[in-house]
Amino acid sequence: GIQVEQSPPDLILQEGANSTLRCNFSDSVNNLQWFHQNPWGQLINLFYIPSGTKQNGRLSATTVATERYSLLYISSSQTTDSGVYFCAVDLGGSNYKLTFGKGTLLTVNP
Amino acid sequence: SQTIHQWPATLVQPVGSPLSLECTVEGTSNPNLYWYRQAAGRGLQLLFYSVGIGQISSEVPQNLSASRPQDRQFILSSKKLLLSDSGFYLCAWSFGIGRASSGNTIYFGEGSWLTVV
Repeated sequence: GIQVEQSPPDLILQEGANSTLRCNFSDSVNNLQWFHQNPWGQLINLFYIPSGTKQNGRLSATTVATERYSLLYISSSQTTDSGVYFCAVDLGGSNYKLTFGKGTLLTVNP
Repeated sequence: SQTIHQWPATLVQPVGSPLSLECTVEGTSNPNLYWYRQAAGRGLQLLFYSVGIGQISSEVPQNLSASRPQDRQFILSSKKLLLSDSGFYLCAWSFGIGRASSGNTIYFGEGSWLTVV
């Protein structure tokens, strides 16, 4: 099956710093999503981004499908950005079965 | 707008007891439905998915089963829980094929924490 690797596994930042999270995948994908899992466990959709670049406030994401990677940028980080960030992909077809990476645990200190 | 709810939020069950986690989606019809499990170590694993009533596909052999008795209801069950069934269970939904207006986005419920003792 498709492999999804995220880096770094853990990241500690001071409030106000910028960061880049990376997601590599082993095959062409039809769907790529970034999620943020908050401390209560809820998975929040950040981006649906199989290709191209999107921005939402302090967050932006870029997927280079031909090179099989995606990047999530967090600017001016806040303590509320803490949590685990997941990248998930699927190969296409009718069932949207996402395969998740193991995530990046982000801790933003005040 | 669409919403998804699952319950109970937390559950402590003895080994060998049955399990029933329920999930419902509102605001859409004929969604694709999913059950994921997140064990220690953070990764999420797809357990079951369903594209319609009574249609269940299992991704991994295990002690669990799923049912979809109604269009927007998805139930995760076990007849006899094992210690290894402990974890965080997440229900999710997406639009059915051909109906996604914002891409094949999957949306998750709040999750259910299961501890088997």
